[in-house]
Amino acid sequence: SQELEQSPQSLIVQEGKNLTINCTSSKTLYGLYWYKQKYGEGLIFLMMLQKGGEEKSHEKITAKLDEKKQQSSLHITASQPSHAGIYLCGASRAGTYKYIFGTGTRLKVLA
Amino acid sequence: KAGVTQTPRYLIKTRGQQVTLSCSPISGHRSVSWYQQTPGQGLQFLFEYFSETQRNKGNFPGRFSGRQFSNSRSEMNVSTLELGDSALYLCASSPGTSGSSYNEQFFGPGTRLTVL
Repeated sequence: SQELEQSPQSLIVQEGKNLTINCTSSKTLYGLYWYKQKYGEGLIFLMMLQKGGEEKSHEKITAKLDEKKQQSSLHITASQPSHAGIYLCGASRAGTYKYIFGTGTRLKVLA
Repeated sequence: KAGVTQTPRYLIKTRGQQVTLSCSPISGHRSVSWYQQTPGQGLQFLFEYFSETQRNKGNFPGRFSGRQFSNSRSEMNVSTLELGDSALYLCASSPGTSGSSYNEQFFGPGTRLTVL
């Protein structure tokens, strides 16, 4: 089973709607990253969360890490077609230099 | 600063051949990680190099190997290619400061490998 579970796996929303993507781990996370990927291309860094309860925003995207540091959510407000792509959460663990990634959420925004 | 570059961008090989992929990290970055991305398995960690030393390794067979040069550029080699090796191979660079686990990774555009 995946160490980082993302939900939903895919999402289709109408332009202007809000949406939330979740990333859940069975273990405490040390450093949680959100990336966006256009099909077949590299990953674009969105945000990094380190502390329990931390919340960061960039333009219309907000990411939160829960107090236990086992779950993160990515929220997009008033979605636009430019938000379409695959969203991946990634995490690192203290004491290792190994990164793990979630299964990804494929987002489509209908104009 | 120039971003992470990967060459070649596309590659077609046949089963049994070997392939070498190259990654040039962001200037000043000492850590390079490699990932394999497939529709079925998602993004899987291959290995990470820091200052020419492999620091961590994922669960891939020995056919997958890598190295890092003194200028931090890295290469990944896959020998005896199998159909299942068809994937997008991504490399990521980070400052990789020793002892830190929080370093943000910057990804290259990837190399699309197709094995026929």
